[in-house]
Amino acid sequence: GAGVSQSPRYKVAKRGQDVALRCDPISGHVSLFWYQQALGQGPEFLTYFQNEAQLDKSGLPSDRFFAERPEGSVSTLKIQRTQQEDSAVYLCASSLRGQDYGYTFGSGTRLTVV
Amino acid sequence: AQSVTQLGSHVSVSEGALVLLRCNYSSSVPPYLFWYVQYPNQGLQLLLKYTSAATLVKGINGFEAEFKKSETSFHLTKPSAHMSDAAEYFCAVSGASNTGKLIFGQGTTLQVKP
Repeated sequence: GAGVSQSPRYKVAKRGQDVALRCDPISGHVSLFWYQQALGQGPEFLTYFQNEAQLDKSGLPSDRFFAERPEGSVSTLKIQRTQQEDSAVYLCASSLRGQDYGYTFGSGTRLTVV
Repeated sequence: AQSVTQLGSHVSVSEGALVLLRCNYSSSVPPYLFWYVQYPNQGLQLLLKYTSAATLVKGINGFEAEFKKSETSFHLTKPSAHMSDAAEYFCAVSGASNTGKLIFGQGTTLQVKP
């Protein structure tokens, strides 16, 4: 497609449940980023891929968070044993090259943990 | 370390009035600076970016921003507000490692009154 596609758009999870959030970047975009945006806050960096290589995961808040991009295209952000503090919008962005900062953001997945 | 401070979490202007959204940054390396706009339930859209060329940057929808190194500022302006400008605005600075990672401010909600 023409843009970055994220699914699901909304996810309600019970505390302790595992969730998987999908990002389908623009075809040919090498760089892929995940950001977490809590209510009323700016996005915060989680992790960065260049093709299938995860080059920076310094923003992942705990070992419950895991991201992968096995074929260098679609990426999945997985959160294990969700907690209430994980409630946020998770934004994915892709760019042709990370260094050009030519991001296209997806519309995000709103995760609510109850 | 890279950081961004947006002064004023809420700004209210009348339609047709000047829009001024303030952003100050801290950076250990020459920065790239960005303004993004976010409409409800949507991803972020790039308004403009400064990448060490002209210090006055013109963006979409009539917005512009001026990079002032001496003041470490990158304020966003628009001469005449439209109702459609009502949204959340985020200032961002590039990460020190130049991988494409962005550090965002907390955001400023712009309200436009008729």
